[in-house]
Amino acid sequence: DGGITQSPKYLFRKEGQNVTLSCEQNLNHDAMYWYRQDPGQGLRLIYYSQIVNDFQKGDIAEGYSVSREKKESFPLTVTSAQKNPTAFYLCATASRYTEAFFGQGTRLTVV
Amino acid sequence: AQKVTQAQTEISVVEKEDVTLDCVYETRDTTYYLFWYKQPPSGELVFLIRRNSFDEQNEISGRYSWNFQKSTSSFNFTITASQVVDSAVYFCALSEARETSGSRLTFGEGTQLTVNP
Repeated sequence: DGGITQSPKYLFRKEGQNVTLSCEQNLNHDAMYWYRQDPGQGLRLIYYSQIVNDFQKGDIAEGYSVSREKKESFPLTVTSAQKNPTAFYLCATASRYTEAFFGQGTRLTVV
Repeated sequence: AQKVTQAQTEISVVEKEDVTLDCVYETRDTTYYLFWYKQPPSGELVFLIRRNSFDEQNEISGRYSWNFQKSTSSFNFTITASQVVDSAVYFCALSEARETSGSRLTFGEGTQLTVNP
């Protein structure tokens, strides 16, 4: 099936741990994005990448890191520096000619 | 900087009522795209429409219609004869229109629509 796969669906993190959220796509889109959504709020951009081996900070990049070694993959690492990581994380892809397509999201909880 | 404002945090209607979701945007770009997405309880965002800033024609798709007015920087969304299945959070979004692939999307805060039977 074509689309975007985010894994895991639910993730629990202990205080001080780094965790990595996976986002894979087979849509052949150049651009990939990570958004964070807090309850009752809109989506805020964490990082985005328009091409392999290049990415830009979004509005709330502190405490997060990404890599874009392959066109298909854009993993997000939530580091221990992110003080309030509990949220819903959405990955998206887009091409120049299309709207953004979203994955099903990962719900991260700090325990 | 780009900004999208959805002033209505929550709307509650009774089935078969018409409902309009407001969206106002700010951008310095002369060329841009506007979007509406639906987020059902499952969480995944579902694309509804994309509108180029050069195209101010209103659009209708079934029970959905969109009113784009560049003069007031608004892109409102109307659901006619609402149904319970329309209950969701609706987001308005804005992006630059650049030559390169993909541009950052700026989202509004979303409007929670509840349609009661």
